[in-house]
Amino acid sequence: DQQVKQNSPSLSVQEGRISILNCDYTNSMFDYFLWYKKYPAEGPTFLISISSIKDKNEDGRFTVFLNKSAKHLSLHIVPSQPGDSAVYFCAARQRLSGGGADGLTFGKGTHLIIQP
Amino acid sequence: KAGVTQTPRYLIKTRGQQVTLSCSPISGHRSVSWYQQTPGQGLQFLFEYFSETQRNKGNFPGRFSGRQFSNSRSEMNVSTLELGDSALYLCASSASMNTEAFFGQGTRLTVV
Repeated sequence: DQQVKQNSPSLSVQEGRISILNCDYTNSMFDYFLWYKKYPAEGPTFLISISSIKDKNEDGRFTVFLNKSAKHLSLHIVPSQPGDSAVYFCAARQRLSGGGADGLTFGKGTHLIIQP
Repeated sequence: KAGVTQTPRYLIKTRGQQVTLSCSPISGHRSVSWYQQTPGQGLQFLFEYFSETQRNKGNFPGRFSGRQFSNSRSEMNVSTLELGDSALYLCASSASMNTEAFFGQGTRLTVV
């Protein structure tokens, strides 16, 4: 079963507008969430993260919102730029009872296309 | 600061062979984790090492193994390769097990 879901395989947004990428999760034990950007044949690039004790984290053009009751998070990119065209992955991590944390669980990704 | 370095970048192997992939983490990072990316399954967690000890393991068969050295460098080994092992193998390093992970460029393994 997929514990982290990105239901939109692709998203097309006009340059300068806001891009909103969504992610849902089912495991209530996840307590740390991350967004990565990936170009073909390269490793994912870390963008922004949020702990479950927060509901918003902002870094420049990127803002992540977390709604724990809905088990939903979103990444907002404002304003969208052509260089933002890439695949975006949502990832989640579960803290383990013995200390430490589990490996990241990734969604399948959303291909963001920024149109001029 | 140098990023995560994975070698080799590309590899072609024959079914039944074994392969070793290498990862050098960001200087000062002690946690190294490995992931497999395939078109069908996406990014899947293989295992994580911290201070030379495997701390976590994903749902992969025992043919997949790894180790970490005292300098935090890590290797991943796959024995008795199968066609389905063809994938992009990614290594990520973290300062600790609870912080963001930074990925390398990956090793593209093709099994023929």
